[in-house]
Amino acid sequence: DTAVSQTPKYLVTQMGNDKSIKCEQNLGHDTMYWYKQDSKKFLKIMFSYNNKELIINETVPNRFSPKSPDKAHLNLHINSLELGDSAVYFCASSQGTALQYFGAGTRLSVL
Amino acid sequence: QKEVEQNSGPLSVPEGAIASLNCTYSDRGSQSFFWYRQYSGKSPELIMFIYSNGDKEDGRFTAQLNKASQYVSLLIRDSQPSDSATYLCAVKNYGGSQGNLIFGKGTKLSVKP
Repeated sequence: DTAVSQTPKYLVTQMGNDKSIKCEQNLGHDTMYWYKQDSKKFLKIMFSYNNKELIINETVPNRFSPKSPDKAHLNLHINSLELGDSAVYFCASSQGTALQYFGAGTRLSVL
Repeated sequence: QKEVEQNSGPLSVPEGAIASLNCTYSDRGSQSFFWYRQYSGKSPELIMFIYSNGDKEDGRFTAQLNKASQYVSLLIRDSQPSDSATYLCAVKNYGGSQGNLIFGKGTKLSVKP
């Protein structure tokens, strides 16, 4: 039973399109995150949500918007995709002790 | 700007040897320190965390923290080929669930049979 699941696993799309990535956790954690891992494998936080409120918003383009319908879900919507958005996007969750558990990742390729 | 530095490697060790992975961080206020292992094409997996100065052992893994030197390390004893992966050091500057993890760029470890 997967603790943090994200869909889709792979996403190939054209520049300018809008796409969404979904994330769900069944751990009962109160904080969820989105990370971006670029081609050089550098993992950088994009957003986190705690109890449905955005508590960290790093300097990412406003084309990226996180949406959390409830504390078990944190989706990432991306408008007007650009070539530089190609990366692996990881969802993660944590509770209290700050031990973060990652989903399997979504590999986004923008053509 | 808060930074976490790691030698990118690759670090190559023979099977059975001790692998030593090092990490330095710039923010003296950092309180929590984590080591993640990431196999190629997979997600990061938490293997160790440490909050206090000194050593913390878990099986073949030992995390070492020296806050005065702003240095954290991971030792892997009796290295196995299955330990071959990229090891990510991460630092958090708040206690509890607040704050965010800042990752280093990772050290690639290769254990040769």
